[in-house]
Amino acid sequence: QSVLTQPPSASGPPGQRVTISCSGSDSNIGSNTVNWFQHIPETAPKLLIYRNNQRPSGVPGRFSASKSGTSASLAISGLQSEDEADYYCATWDDGLSGWVFGGGTKLTVL
Amino acid sequence: QLQLQESGPRLVKSSETLSLTCSVSGGSIKSSSYQWGWIRQPPGKGLEWIGNVYYSGRTDYNSSLKRRVTISTDTSKNQFFLTLSSVTAADTAVYFCARFIQLWFVFDYWGRGTLVTASS
Repeated sequence: QSVLTQPPSASGPPGQRVTISCSGSDSNIGSNTVNWFQHIPETAPKLLIYRNNQRPSGVPGRFSASKSGTSASLAISGLQSEDEADYYCATWDDGLSGWVFGGGTKLTVL
Repeated sequence: QLQLQESGPRLVKSSETLSLTCSVSGGSIKSSSYQWGWIRQPPGKGLEWIGNVYYSGRTDYNSSLKRRVTISTDTSKNQFFLTLSSVTAADTAVYFCARFIQLWFVFDYWGRGTLVTASS
């Protein structure tokens, strides 16, 4: 069982906006910044968001994220078929002294 | 463009040692700006951090794996390594190597991963 909790699945039609939540605790999300990754199986995971809401160069503005308290969320607007992937949140956990990840959310574009 | 490539045996016998290599191209591992890490994903499960190695050789490990894990580097070959001893079926997973950028506090580049099966 993952330290960070994500819904196992999410979906939406092309063009719609979807959000994916990530729930943690005071020792992880409550104390540290959150990162988000996109993973298409058989490929390298891709960094989407770092430090809660920062996008690396090359990541479309359709991807945005926020953090409040012990929860974080990733929003994808203008869904495209290429967005079908697994999405993971991650952060440092002060209690475990290590990196922790969410269980992943499988996004389906209907 | 930085690239990371995992390599090593795909099948390891139970109780033996898993050994993987991450070859880095497009950048040097001899930089104080980065750490180099291993993360794994058992079939049907989420991601699990294994540990990081600094350019200095210092290491940080997941406490649940610490007794069995060693991560090291060979800067002359621009590679870093993972060894995991006394493997069991629970160690069957896709193993990823990744670069950790300290300024951003994030794993910013990953390899595609390699599936290692631990079997008797």
